[in-house]
Amino acid sequence: DGGITQSPKYLFRKEGQNVTLSCEQNLNHDAMYWYRQDPGQGLRLIYYSQIVNDFQKGDIAEGYSVSREKKESFPLTVTSAQKNPTAFYLCASSIGDVRSSYNEQFFGPGTRLTVL
Amino acid sequence: AQKVTQAQTEISVVEKEDVTLDCVYETRDTTYYLFWYKQPPSGELVFLIRRNSFDEQNEISGRYSWNFQKSTSSFNFTITASQVVDSAVYFCALSEPYGGSQGNLIFGKGTKLSVKP
Repeated sequence: DGGITQSPKYLFRKEGQNVTLSCEQNLNHDAMYWYRQDPGQGLRLIYYSQIVNDFQKGDIAEGYSVSREKKESFPLTVTSAQKNPTAFYLCASSIGDVRSSYNEQFFGPGTRLTVL
Repeated sequence: AQKVTQAQTEISVVEKEDVTLDCVYETRDTTYYLFWYKQPPSGELVFLIRRNSFDEQNEISGRYSWNFQKSTSSFNFTITASQVVDSAVYFCALSEPYGGSQGNLIFGKGTKLSVKP
């Protein structure tokens, strides 16, 4: 089945540690996105990527890093510089150019990160 | 500036009641797209509908209907004869291909709908 997978579903991290969240899609989509969701809040864009080896900062990129070495993969690293990393992280993808904003985004099941 | 407001934080209804979720948006662009997504307790967002700024026709899909009014910058979502399975958080979102958001989605804060049996 085509879709987006995120792993792990739950992740616990000690303060000061970096952690990487996985996102893989087999939809052959060009654009991929990472969002952060906090309780009672909408989704906020962290990073997005239109093509392999290219990515752009979203609204809240500080303390995060990404890579896009393969079309189907867009991992997110939460670094120790992120002051309040406990949140629900959602990965998404869409067909075509990021500016083709007509295209809906497809979302993965999310990863819930908790900093201990 | 672009903005999406969902003023209703939580709504609770009894099964079979009709319920309307409000969405008001702000944009300076004449070309834009509006979306509704559903987030069930499992967490994954599910796409429900897309509407472009040039199409003000209302849409009905089964028990779901959407009312788009440019005059009031609103894109409201109505569920008729609600069911327990409709319980979820619903997000309204705006996308502008040529605006400051560069085509990315701007989400409202969501409305949590609880449908009780």
